[in-house]
Amino acid sequence: DTGVSQNPRHKITKRGQNVTFRCDPISEHNRLYWYRQTLGQGPEFLTYFQNEAQLEKSRLLSDRFSAERPKGSFSTLEIQRTEQGDSAMYLCASSPRDTGGTNEKLFFGSGTQLSVL
Amino acid sequence: EDQVTQSPEALRLQEGESSSLNCSYTVSGLRGLFWYRQDPGKGPEFLFTLYSAGEEKEKERLKATLTKKESFLHITAPKPEDSATYLCAVQEGGFKTIFGAGTRLFVKA
Repeated sequence: DTGVSQNPRHKITKRGQNVTFRCDPISEHNRLYWYRQTLGQGPEFLTYFQNEAQLEKSRLLSDRFSAERPKGSFSTLEIQRTEQGDSAMYLCASSPRDTGGTNEKLFFGSGTQLSVL
Repeated sequence: EDQVTQSPEALRLQEGESSSLNCSYTVSGLRGLFWYRQDPGKGPEFLFTLYSAGEEKEKERLKATLTKKESFLHITAPKPEDSATYLCAVQEGGFKTIFGAGTRLFVKA
C-alpha cells in the first residue's frame, strides 16, 4: 500500500506565476478529491473526479483554478496568476469504488504547501 | 447550508485526564459522520464512520458517539501521543465531505 502521493511537498512562488501540483491516488481507487486547508481551518472542498470525469466543482473555485485527471489515474491541479490569498495546503484524497454508498472514507496525501510571495 | 461546528477550538489535558470533543452538525440527509486525526504537516487520517443516531465506535482510547444533532469523541486516559487535531466531517447525498475547523488537542506528560 503506497498511499496517496503528492508532489511537490512545498512550493514557493511569486504572485502572478502559474503553479501545478500532482496527485497520485491509491491505484485501485476510482474517486479523487482536491481540498484546500488554511491554518486553523478544516479542509475545504475544491473538486471531485470519478475516474476521468470531473463531477463536482466548488463555487469557491475561481476560473484561475483548473484540475484534470487524464485516463482516470493521476490528477493535476493548476493555479494560474497566483495571488497571496492562494497560499494554503492543497490536499488530495482518494476513495475506493462505491460499495453501496455507505462508506466514503477518504485517504489523504500529505499535501502540497503553497506560499505565494 | 450544511454546517459542521466543533468545540472547543483547543483542549489542553494532563496525561490520564479524560475528556470529550464535540461536533454539532446541520445537514439534510446525513449519509455519514466521520472523525479524522491530523498531525502537523500531514493529511487527515481516518478514524471512524458513524451512520445513525445511537451508534458508537471504539478504537484504543477513543470512542465516538452520534445523536441526531451532534457527535462526541471521548478520549479516555489520553497519552502525549494522542496530541493532534481532531476533525469532524459530514457527508450528505452527494460526494462532498464537509469538514469542521477541528479541535487541537494537547496532552502533557
